[in-house]
Amino acid sequence: NAGVTQTPKFQVLKTGQSMTLQCAQDMNHEYMSWYRQDPGMGLRLIHYSVGAGITDQGEVPNGYNVSRSTTEDFPLRLLSAAPSQTSVYFCASMESSYNSPLHFGNGTRLTVT
Amino acid sequence: DAKTTQPTSMDCAEGRAANLPCNHSTISGNEYVYWYRQIHSQGPQYIIHGLKNNETNEMASLIITEDRKSSTLILPHATLRDTAVYYCIVRVAWGSGAGSYQLTFGKGTKLSVIP
Repeated sequence: NAGVTQTPKFQVLKTGQSMTLQCAQDMNHEYMSWYRQDPGMGLRLIHYSVGAGITDQGEVPNGYNVSRSTTEDFPLRLLSAAPSQTSVYFCASMESSYNSPLHFGNGTRLTVT
Repeated sequence: DAKTTQPTSMDCAEGRAANLPCNHSTISGNEYVYWYRQIHSQGPQYIIHGLKNNETNEMASLIITEDRKSSTLILPHATLRDTAVYYCIVRVAWGSGAGSYQLTFGKGTKLSVIP
């Protein structure tokens, strides 16, 4: 069991470039989500999905797109990167049982110059 | 989700018990208390959770007050590897609406274990 796998671990983009952060889980979890974490801050929810074909916005969705075509994958797309999107991004998944915990990946550190 | 309040930072001597408090005075009857920790720049790690009874696992114990307005995470014998940021969050059970999906993390408590 690999758990939640995020790629890449590090990425540098120029302003205006686009990219996709990948997230995959092998636990057959229905729920998946993306968080960003800025220095000295807690985690802020960007988008989440409660199952394949279903996505919804979190606290800070602007500038990010997501889709969920399979249970396993939940990519996060930056269409036109901005310096304000420099952050560490964490993907998490959770079983759809009544009190299951979140399982996190190890993060992608993104720098936008 | 109910809001939680945690101290910004705490110190604990190595080998002693670390007691991390969390206030969740507006918690609803169907909300669980969860604890996670984040070591350095790694992804947060689940520690323990509970509804109203005290809970214990191999990592920690969770004490929830009878009125459920606060809780304490106890690391019985803190080691240097327990130095981390500890997050207390509350959420409703899965399927209870948006609150079960929009999990909110605050800034947590930075625990420093001192040799």
